[in-house]
Amino acid sequence: IAGITQAPTSQILAAGRRMTLRCTQDMRHNAMYWYRQDLGLGLRLIHYSNTAGTTGKGEVPDGYSVSRANTDDFPLTLASAVPSQTSVYFCASSESGMNEQFFGPGTRLTVL
Amino acid sequence: GQNIDQPTEMTATEGAIVQINCTYQTSGFNGLFWYQQHAGEAPTFLSYNVLDGLEEKGRFSSFLSRSKGYSYLLLKELQMKDSASYLCASLDSNYQLIWGAGTKLIIKP
Repeated sequence: IAGITQAPTSQILAAGRRMTLRCTQDMRHNAMYWYRQDLGLGLRLIHYSNTAGTTGKGEVPDGYSVSRANTDDFPLTLASAVPSQTSVYFCASSESGMNEQFFGPGTRLTVL
Repeated sequence: GQNIDQPTEMTATEGAIVQINCTYQTSGFNGLFWYQQHAGEAPTFLSYNVLDGLEEKGRFSSFLSRSKGYSYLLLKELQMKDSASYLCASLDSNYQLIWGAGTKLIIKP
């Protein structure tokens, strides 16, 4: 792995289903982030983690949860998907909160 | 509230110069980032300004005025591959990035 990866690339999901988006980085970055990007809106922070073992809520956390069991992985879970969660989801990482963020390729999620 | 404003779309000609403006109002300020995002791809880092003035990096330069809450990205010698969205983001007092909606730059031959 080189950099930051996300899986799946895209997914179509029935409303009410549970879904976990995966994110892995190999840069040993302390901080990781989940964003959603919708047409006409800026990237919006869902959850973040400043270091392994800690997480925090961003601007739009409702309906999402995260965990940070180790440095490399930062999965995002939708407990019961709703159509308004249709979006492109980006995972990002940085050495610290003050440094540039590196983004994964994104997951395009459609909830029907 | 927190707010980042940038134009929705701009058009420029190949070989020319274009300036993309960004104004910001955030809770605290720890720097201003510019990212480039090609359609269907992830954002990639272009520049970071925390002090007033101009930072030059090849064909791209970024300017910051903290007193005015204003930044711009200057792209010189435009190439077709510069067609992309340019995202302005302010790092607030909690070290979280507040993002603008992006400026779609269209380059015409």
